[in-house]
Amino acid sequence: QAVLTQPSSLSASPGASASLTCTLRSGINVGTYRIYWYQQKPGSPPQFLLRYKSDSDYQKGSGVPSRFSGSKDASANAGIFLISGLQSEDEADYYCMIWHSSAWVFGGGTKLTVL
Amino acid sequence: QVQLQQSGPGLVKPSQTLSLTCAISGDSVSRDSAAWNWIRQSPSRGLEWLGRTYYRSKWYNDYAVSLKSRITINPDTSKNQFALQLNSVTPEDTAVYYCARDRLATIASDSFYHGMDVWGQGTTVTISS
Repeated sequence: QAVLTQPSSLSASPGASASLTCTLRSGINVGTYRIYWYQQKPGSPPQFLLRYKSDSDYQKGSGVPSRFSGSKDASANAGIFLISGLQSEDEADYYCMIWHSSAWVFGGGTKLTVL
Repeated sequence: QVQLQQSGPGLVKPSQTLSLTCAISGDSVSRDSAAWNWIRQSPSRGLEWLGRTYYRSKWYNDYAVSLKSRITINPDTSKNQFALQLNSVTPEDTAVYYCARDRLATIASDSFYHGMDVWGQGTTVTISS
């Protein structure tokens, strides 16, 4: 079982909200991890969006829109990346990442389609 | 403004050594609050962290366990860059390779990494004879 599991795809309409999940493998407690989120558009490297551990340990990257936010769902053992007021430019791949067992581990990514 | 400029061959033969360089501008490879990473991306493996080098009074390296026997990441302070070497490559090592910077942050007495906020442009490396 992968350390981090993300839905492979998600579709949402312009102006709507999209909630992207990053589920940690059973036995790895989301509460103890910082979850990092990246956005990648075709032909470009990933771009750092935000880091979330708790509301007091939370930071966005430079220039990241206020529409983007992070949280956790402890009951689902998952990190959450929320985009409100979806825009066409938000169409991209989104990856989560954690530091686990002395290595950076990425999720498989979610392809977000805005249609 | 910090920039990372990657260089290296796009084609490497199987069993040979893949070598890439990441030149840093606007920051220092020796900065004691930074870490310098290599990541690769392929359709079959997704994003995969390969390893990093960083300076904390002396040089340290961390490597992905799966690559530990084949990988070396070295800083070059004279040129303000760092390099990736991956030995004994196979077609499975075909990927887009990225370098990226991370920085230490501190909350209370807890030190952790901020997030890889500067990336190189990527180098497509194909392993083929």
